[in-house]
Amino acid sequence: SQKIEQNSEALNIQEGKTATLTCNYTNYSPAYLQWYRQDPGRGPVFLLLIRENEKEKRKERLKVTFDTTLKQSLFHITASQPADSATYLCALEVRTALIFGKGTTLSVSS
Amino acid sequence: SAVISQKPSRDICQRGTSLTIQCQVDSQVTMMFWYRQQPGQSLTLIATANQGSEATYESGFVIDKFPISRPNLTFSTLTVSNMSPEDSSIYLCSVLRTGGVGELFFGEGSRLTVL
Repeated sequence: SQKIEQNSEALNIQEGKTATLTCNYTNYSPAYLQWYRQDPGRGPVFLLLIRENEKEKRKERLKVTFDTTLKQSLFHITASQPADSATYLCALEVRTALIFGKGTTLSVSS
Repeated sequence: SAVISQKPSRDICQRGTSLTIQCQVDSQVTMMFWYRQQPGQSLTLIATANQGSEATYESGFVIDKFPISRPNLTFSTLTVSNMSPEDSSIYLCSVLRTGGVGELFFGEGSRLTVL
């Protein structure tokens, strides 16, 4: 079955640094991969989608890479701020449904 | 973007009872999904709610336990039947963005606690 792993459950960084989150998957070749943000007590919010033929996608301070050979996506937040503190989920499509990883909880301290 | 309203936002239920969660979308959408998020876990897809036909359930989820209705393109319900403490979870409704590239919008979730 499809397996999605996010490298760590928690990541703590200092304000201004770049946060890098990892998402690895097995047993599938998705056409695209997505990243979501989830705040406590809220539903996930879509951030970025990257297709299999795209190496990199950017949106403001966010950057996502997608390596289909390594079966890995990296999610970067540059110049991180305390407001970036949240859980970040990666997701990929399996048979027309989105399957999510467990998420990485990012804490940015000032 | 789609605005998704879920009711109830939270509830405390007794073992053996059933609870129906409602999901209302402010626009017509083709695809609606129900997810479960257990404490400390990620989202697990329960089923795809199909308009006018039976829902499509994921492995490990059955219609008798999680009956789903989808009477039109803006509304769906999920019932959690014969609840046990293991059903304590957040249940989330989501929709596929119309005209999008595959991203989902989520409701705020319904937090159920079963005693």
